[in-house]
Amino acid sequence: KQEVTQIPAALSVPEGENLVLNCSFTDSAIYNLQWFRQDPGKGLTSLLLIQSSQREQTSGRLNASLDKSSGRSTLYIAASQPGDSATYLCAVETSGSRLTFGEGTQLTVNP
Amino acid sequence: GAVVSQHPSWVICKSGTSVKIECRSLDFQATTMFWYRQFPKQSLMLMATSNEGSKATYEQGVEKDKFLINHASLTLSTLTVTSAHPEDSSFYICSARAVSGSDTDTQYFGPGTRLTVL
Repeated sequence: KQEVTQIPAALSVPEGENLVLNCSFTDSAIYNLQWFRQDPGKGLTSLLLIQSSQREQTSGRLNASLDKSSGRSTLYIAASQPGDSATYLCAVETSGSRLTFGEGTQLTVNP
Repeated sequence: GAVVSQHPSWVICKSGTSVKIECRSLDFQATTMFWYRQFPKQSLMLMATSNEGSKATYEQGVEKDKFLINHASLTLSTLTVTSAHPEDSSFYICSARAVSGSDTDTQYFGPGTRLTVL
């Protein structure tokens, strides 16, 4: 059974800092890995999707890497802003289009 | 970008009643839609996979007779929580996968429906 773990569970940083969120998964037989953002009481916003054959994806201040063999992914956020405050979820897709989510990292960026 | 809507956004009902939640893909067709449940401070758990024109596939531990899923068209799936009880109170989120194009691997998520059963 696929299990996804995210570390840390919560993170508080001052505005402007660069930060890294970690995600690990137990079964490397994945199709892709996706990072999402969730604001309180809201749905999910897809940030980045990395195919299993890819090593990283970038979008603006966000960079996600994937090391499938070791079962790890990182989400790097550069020059963090208060508006980045949210819960960040990673999810891996396995057979049958099933997404398995981690517990999330709650990020607070202080002005 | 692809948009998925859910209706209602929140609902409060009495124990024993049934509640229907709609999930629509607004600007794309989706052969597959997914229903997730999220309890407070927890992550999303897949409940079932809904394929247009066929029966839904439920995850282990999810009661198919309690959570009725209908995927009648390429743009609409519904989740009906039958005989709801307080323990069914949760945040229900749907997602839809595009039929074709470069984003076929992406699931687009709805804004969620907050269900509170009194």
